[in-house]
Amino acid sequence: DAGVTQSPTHLIKTRGQQVTLRCSPKSGHDTVSWYQQALGQGPQFIFQYYEEEERQRGNFPDRFSGHQFPNYSSELNVNALLLGDSALYLCASSLGGAYPSYEQYFGPGTRLTVT
Amino acid sequence: AQSVAQPEDQVNVAEGNPLTVKCTYSVSGNPYLFWYVQYPNRGLQFLLKYITGDNLVKGSYGFEAEFNKSQTSFHLKKPSALVSDSALYFCAVRDTSRGSTLGRLYFGRGTQLTVWP
Repeated sequence: DAGVTQSPTHLIKTRGQQVTLRCSPKSGHDTVSWYQQALGQGPQFIFQYYEEEERQRGNFPDRFSGHQFPNYSSELNVNALLLGDSALYLCASSLGGAYPSYEQYFGPGTRLTVT
Repeated sequence: AQSVAQPEDQVNVAEGNPLTVKCTYSVSGNPYLFWYVQYPNRGLQFLLKYITGDNLVKGSYGFEAEFNKSQTSFHLKKPSALVSDSALYFCAVRDTSRGSTLGRLYFGRGTQLTVWP
């Protein structure tokens, strides 16, 4: 049973560039959430996708955008990168719909460094 | 607004001793509460959850947590700590205001647990 996978593992970008991170949910899951974890902090919610629509959004600027595909995989895009965007980006999946799961399962994360 | 507080940045305990990692929460509705563990350079692993029912919930690797509604707490416990339990532990609460289908998690800042031999 495949767990949540994310790519790439590490990424180094320059200020002002754009980045795309990818996530495949756990088998059978249809809801994907993205979190940003800065060094020494707990994860902060960016947004959540279900049925290919953004359903909830945290306190992040419009530079952060996402997409969910028909196979439930998801992308996180960040434009105009700032030094402060350096963090571990975590994808979490869960089951929505009529019989939802309560817990979210996390992938290993993508470590983004902005120089 | 939902929030979680983990009052201790670090907890140190000797192997074989009981451990407690503290968590208090604030929610507007009924709380869904979770504990996750994070090892270095890894994602978060789910340990246990409280949704409803018995106030003492059991989870993975011998961990358990006690839900106390009057004190708005959800402390993580283990009767006998192992060196391999050393990791970063996060408490989280789920927003139920939009129904049970969807809901972001609000995390605490984390507690670093160190178990020495």
